[in-house]
Formats: sequence, structure tokens, C-alpha cells
Amino acid sequence: QELLQESGPGLVRPSETLSLTCSVSGPSDSFTDRYISWGWIRQSPGKGLEWIGSSYYSGRSILPPSLKSRVTISVDSSKKQVALTLSSVTAADTAVYFCARRVTVSMHAFDVWGRGTTIIVSS
Amino acid sequence: QSVLTQPPSMSGAPGQRVTISCSGTSSNIGKGTVNWYQQLPGMAPRLLIYDDDKRPSGVPDRFSGSKSGASASLAISGLQFGDEADYYCETWGDKPTGPVFGGGTKLNVL
Repeated sequence: QELLQESGPGLVRPSETLSLTCSVSGPSDSFTDRYISWGWIRQSPGKGLEWIGSSYYSGRSILPPSLKSRVTISVDSSKKQVALTLSSVTAADTAVYFCARRVTVSMHAFDVWGRGTTIIVSS
Repeated sequence: QSVLTQPPSMSGAPGQRVTISCSGTSSNIGKGTVNWYQQLPGMAPRLLIYDDDKRPSGVPDRFSGSKSGASASLAISGLQFGDEADYYCETWGDKPTGPVFGGGTKLNVL
């Protein structure tokens, strides 16, 4: 089974752009499987889970309308990495950001999750 | 405000059975399948139930899921202290398109 590891700056200043990376390791070739998407989910302090976007290895992305104007998700198949950029951050973007694999056939669920990386937006 | 509605908290005694509800609409739960995730304190979510009622390998059969119409339920029998966690339901929404989560239910084992 794959392991997912998120990495990021920890602290970002308001109005700046947040960049996160999810590195995928393990024996499976699912990174380039067309039935697998790679998603980002965040959790603000004391709050629930919020999906902020997903991408397939082909480059096709699905984004929620509420964040579409600020979020970009890209996939680097050679490095087995999924990148998230979130522009014009505010304190409301302070959260733990998780990377997760979603199987889109036979399961239709996020079956593998990273441990998450904490991002604080503050000046 | 979450798209799917869950009770904020529930409690039960060890050995008891609890059922957590998840209410949606015809545009989400009513159209697709429901997944449940368990999030232990300080940990990442873990897939507990997928496609309404299936368990990934390693999940005890004390956990079971069901769905009827636009609502779903997660039942936990033989409650253990280790089951204290937040539980989230999730499905694929139609408008807008994409995964949608419930607000989460904090389960206390007294």
C-alpha cells in the first residue's frame, strides 16, 4: 500500500500563496492509474473535513466552486508528487492539510491518507 | 455549514451499540454511495466503510454501514474505549460536483 507524505512551509503570511507537496511512495503503480485521483482535504482547528480539490495523473482537476479561483492542483508523474497551490491566503486558510488517494471504481472513497501538514496563516 | 448533516456528538457505554446518522439530499446521498471515516485524536482520517456497507480489510465487523434513500447510518456494536473518535460521512455530490463531507460526530465512550 502506498504511503502519502505532505510537506509545506508551516507558516504563511496573509495574501501570499501557499504551496504544498504530497509525495507518494510504495510498491503500487496506482499513481498513473486512470481510475485513481489525488485529493487535498483540509481541517481547520476544531472543525470538520473540507475537500479542496482533486487531480488525476492526466492533469485533469476537479475543484469546488468556492475555491476554484484560488486553487491549483498539479501532478508530477516522474516524481510521484501532487502539488497544491492556494493563492491569497487569509487566516481562514489556517488548517491541517491532508493528501488522500481516491479510488474512482470499485470503491469510490479516499482509501489512503497522509498524516497531514499544519499550515498557519499569520503575519 | 456542511452539506451532509450529522449529530455533533453521541455517547455510549462500553459494550453498547450506537448508530450515527448522516442526512443528505437526492443530489448527493440519494444518487451515490456513502463512505465513513474514523478520525482518532491527533490522527489522519481512516476509511471505515465504503460503498454504503463494505469494510476495508482490517476493519472489525463491529462497524457496519447502511443507506436508505437520502440518509445513511454507521452502527458500532460492542463499543470500546478505543472507538472514541470523530466519525465523518462522505459521498459524491452532484451540485456542485465533488466529494462532500458531513460535519462529523464526536463519539464519547463513557
